[in-house]
Amino acid sequence: AAGVIQSPRHLIKEKRETATLKCYPIPRHDTVYWYQQGPGQDPQFLISFYEKMQSDKGSIPDRFSAQQFSDYHSELNMSSLELGDSALYFCASSLGQGAGTEAFFGQGTRLTVV
Amino acid sequence: GIQVEQSPPDLILQEGANSTLRCNFSDSVNNLQWFHQNPWGQLINLFYIPSGTKQNGRLSATTVATERYSLLYISSSQTTDSGVYFCAVSPPDRGSTLGRLYFGRGTQLTVWP
Repeated sequence: AAGVIQSPRHLIKEKRETATLKCYPIPRHDTVYWYQQGPGQDPQFLISFYEKMQSDKGSIPDRFSAQQFSDYHSELNMSSLELGDSALYFCASSLGQGAGTEAFFGQGTRLTVV
Repeated sequence: GIQVEQSPPDLILQEGANSTLRCNFSDSVNNLQWFHQNPWGQLINLFYIPSGTKQNGRLSATTVATERYSLLYISSSQTTDSGVYFCAVSPPDRGSTLGRLYFGRGTQLTVWP
């Protein structure tokens, strides 16, 4: 079965650079979520989209932005990168939102800022 | 937001042993999922279980929603079971947090041969 695809798998950037992470949800899934997992931490919710509209926003820095495109893939744009942005970034997708929906996670993008 | 507590934080087992991981949550939930994060960082869905009991091979899970806890049972553990086990929940739809998962801090499981 098709899973959530994230690219790239690994990314190394310097401070103050920009990064773009991509997420391709499971076919027919209309909801995408982004999570950030710091070293030794649990995943923290950043932002989500349902039917190409932002549906929920968590503790996402103003330097980050995201969108969901017409083909339902999503991109997380990160600017003015800081050392503290080094983390594992997960994308998840689901069919619908709220009660009765199961989220499936991609393999993650490991971002290292040097 | 909703609080999720997992116990124990660390668990070390010999291959073949059984274990029980617990997840307590502070509010009613619409969604509860168990994940295994392997040493490569991948989050693998184990169970979607907002209530009731499910089994999948050597793993089973039970959620008692009225008492706000869930249990994950691992029987005859294998070295490949090592990793971090996360419980994650979504509170009922209240307009602003649709589908957002709140994670516990995880249980680090190490299985020795």
